[in-house]
Amino acid sequence: AQTVTQSQPEMSVQEAETVTLSCTYDTSESDYYLFWYKQPPSRQMILVIRQEAYKQQNATENRFSVNFQKAAKSFSLKISDSQLGDAAMYFCAYRRGGNQFYFGTGTSLTVIP
Amino acid sequence: DTGVSQDPRHKITKRGQNVTFRCDPISEHNRLYWYRQTLGQGPEFLTYFQNEAQLEKSRLLSDRFSAERPKGSFSTLEIQRTEQGDSAMYLCASSFGSKTQYFGPGTRLLVL
Repeated sequence: AQTVTQSQPEMSVQEAETVTLSCTYDTSESDYYLFWYKQPPSRQMILVIRQEAYKQQNATENRFSVNFQKAAKSFSLKISDSQLGDAAMYFCAYRRGGNQFYFGTGTSLTVIP
Repeated sequence: DTGVSQDPRHKITKRGQNVTFRCDPISEHNRLYWYRQTLGQGPEFLTYFQNEAQLEKSRLLSDRFSAERPKGSFSTLEIQRTEQGDSAMYLCASSFGSKTQYFGPGTRLLVL
């Protein structure tokens, strides 16, 4: 079974600084997708960034970028120039060619003014 | 607002009662998913539809749970004879094909 592990239940970062959230996953598949979703308090899940496993280039979306290490099955999220609005629960998710998502347990990010 | 909507946002019920939740996906999305999220956990997949066909169900979806998407548009999730362990956030998401899933705000269920 596929599993997604987020080993950091909580992280904090000073405003304007950079923070990296860790995620590892377990799969025997070669073709799959990885995602980071953000869930602000009492608000809905929002897609932050996605990565196709067949792409070697790391995905980037403005201040958000990933470090995808396929052999190590690692998919970390880097948030640069952190802003107060980045405070949220961040979920790493895996999806193979089908449709079922597997989510990690989340990392709660606090941004300190 | 053309995002995924869910109704109600909150539901309190007594153990043993039946509850039904509704999800309206983004209009052009043909796939619709239901997830359950308990406190401190990530969402867990329950089931998904492609148009009106229910194509996959998790083993988490006991026989007390039933989902429908009768006309391939909105979907309902019914829980019969609710138990305290059913207390959770129920999330709906939709996508066009296998592209990115967009989530609704969720329905928070509390079973007393």
